[in-house]
Amino acid sequence: GAVVSQHPSRVICKSGTSVKIECRSLDFQATTMFWYRQFPKQSLMLMATSNEGSKATYEQGVEKDKFLINHASLTLSTLTVTSAHPEDSSFYICSANLLAGADTQYFGPGTRLTVL
Amino acid sequence: QKEVEQDPGPLSVPEGAIVSLNCTYSNSAFQYFMWYRQYSRKGPELLMYTYSSGNKEDGRFTAQVDKSSKYISLFIRDSQPSDSATYLCAMSPLTGTASKLTFGTGTRLQVTL
Repeated sequence: GAVVSQHPSRVICKSGTSVKIECRSLDFQATTMFWYRQFPKQSLMLMATSNEGSKATYEQGVEKDKFLINHASLTLSTLTVTSAHPEDSSFYICSANLLAGADTQYFGPGTRLTVL
Repeated sequence: QKEVEQDPGPLSVPEGAIVSLNCTYSNSAFQYFMWYRQYSRKGPELLMYTYSSGNKEDGRFTAQVDKSSKYISLFIRDSQPSDSATYLCAMSPLTGTASKLTFGTGTRLQVTL
């Protein structure tokens, strides 16, 4: 149980294009999902907290207009990197809480984004 | 000062050794502690979680929490090459709603044959 998937696993795009990453909870409903980015040999950096049916809460320094988050259902959240640039190249990981109000997060396998 | 401190390693041990991974924290509000394992280019995998001080055992893994010292540990017995990964500690204040986790930087472990 508690499986989280991400799609795509890898994406390469040209500078200026937009990229959408999907995060799905496969066998449970997730009221809250989180989006992280991770640079090589560094820890996870929380970008935003996404609650189903409401606007995402972004961490300080994360541009909400650049990283669009939609949490339209209890099993799906999407992150869209708009007008991507090479500095946006990173490993993006989502996580979901199995139980409402619980702090244990289950992570997806991650999406490696490379912007040329 | 970071809220959670974790030695990044790398830590290299021979197969069969007992491994000790540690984190210290400064925020006394943290009440919930987790250990994740992350293989290269993969998402973190939850290994163990605990709310209370003391030890919690699961197979070859033991999580230890000392709230008075603000110190948590993960012990791995009979380490295997497949344990080679980065180990992240994480913690939260348990507010009753889904809280943000605060992560350590991760310790890279290498178990050699």
